[in-house]
Amino acid sequence: DIQITQSPSSLSASIGDRVTITCRTSQAINNYLNWYRQRPGKAPDLLIYAASNLHSGVPSRFSGSGSGTDFTLTISSLQPEDFATYYCQQTYIVPQTFGQGTMVEI
Amino acid sequence: EVLLVQSGAEVKKPGESLRISCKGSGYTFTNYWISWVRQMPGKGLEWMGRIRPSDSYTSYSPSFEGRVSISVDKSISTVYLQLSGLKASDTAIYFCATRATVITGFDYWGQGSLITVSS
Repeated sequence: DIQITQSPSSLSASIGDRVTITCRTSQAINNYLNWYRQRPGKAPDLLIYAASNLHSGVPSRFSGSGSGTDFTLTISSLQPEDFATYYCQQTYIVPQTFGQGTMVEI
Repeated sequence: EVLLVQSGAEVKKPGESLRISCKGSGYTFTNYWISWVRQMPGKGLEWMGRIRPSDSYTSYSPSFEGRVSISVDKSISTVYLQLSGLKASDTAIYFCATRATVITGFDYWGQGSLITVSS
């Protein structure tokens, strides 16, 4: 299985802050790396697919970058609805795997 | 509008089996894999397995293999998750998810089914 190390596990930030979350995979995944935001009590929402592609309807403050084994999600200016938990996911090889999650708190 | 609608919450006893349904609409159901993802209370997301509705081809996570079975009824655009030998640690929210507009990732999710396993 491909292991994913996501960091940090949690962070505290303020409205308007720039936030960066990283995922490192145990082997190269050909950019099959996706990012989700999950608000409490809700299903996850896809933000970024294939490392750097902004999903339709997702605000442009979200961006993804990276290649090989190292990937980054950046939120350029944190908004109130962004206080949530973020997950990365690799879909290169079955079993698909998720990172452990990053909780973004006020 | 693409929708995945799951069956409701259930309470099960240890040792029992569960079956959760996920009905797709608003897209060509047979064109895209449907996956199941588990989320234990306060924990992260775990991919359990998936099915290709066109031919019922499945693949499972080793973490669940042997206890999980995913099936499909194309006539009613519904996928099922069966989990046997339930334990208290199977208490979780179970989500179905698919991709219908992107090349990878899950752009559509069911609302989740809360399963509680308790004696």
